[in-house]
Amino acid sequence: GAGVSQTPSNKVTEKGKYVELRCDPISGHTALYWYRQSLGQGPEFLIYFQGTGAADDSGLPNDRFFAVRPEGSVSTLKIQRTERGDSAVYLCASSLMGQGNTEAFFGQGTRLTVV
Amino acid sequence: GQQLNQSPQSMFIQEGEDVSMNCTSSSIFNTWLWYKQDPGEGPVLLIALYKAGELTSNGRLTAQFGITRKDSFLNISASIPSDVGIYFCAGQEPETDKLIFGTGTRLQVFP
Repeated sequence: GAGVSQTPSNKVTEKGKYVELRCDPISGHTALYWYRQSLGQGPEFLIYFQGTGAADDSGLPNDRFFAVRPEGSVSTLKIQRTERGDSAVYLCASSLMGQGNTEAFFGQGTRLTVV
Repeated sequence: GQQLNQSPQSMFIQEGEDVSMNCTSSSIFNTWLWYKQDPGEGPVLLIALYKAGELTSNGRLTAQFGITRKDSFLNISASIPSDVGIYFCAGQEPETDKLIFGTGTRLQVFP
């Protein structure tokens, strides 16, 4: 597609449930990033994929969070046993190579609310 | 997670006024970026700075990369209503292009 697409745009879930958030990067972009943005804050890095592999997952807050990119294109961020503190906007970005000075393009985000 | 210090936190100005905001870091970055985020959207890149001391313009926007590589500022001249939004600075890590964002400056422009 023309830009980075994220689905769903909004997700409300009950505490303790499992959720999956999807990101469709720009076609041909090998680098893919997930960020989390809490209200009134800047986005915070979660995980970076180069192709199919997670090159840097140092931003994942704990082992309830996991992300995959099995074919090097679409990525899914998975959150188990959701907690109210997981409520935030989850942003996905992609870039051409991710190896220095390439612009990352962001999707519109998925707003997750855990009740 | 790590965030850069950005000020001011918010600004309320009249249309036509100039605006200045800045960003500081305890770490050195080789690339500084400035983004704008509108409600319900992801951040959009405004200006990228690649060299310490560099001054770059994009229309009414001017940004500078500090000589110490630990700070940057963004100026907007002759503000207009569509400048309303949240502005973020970001330092970019060289090997991965991972971004460390600032805390944001919320800009409100009154006619």
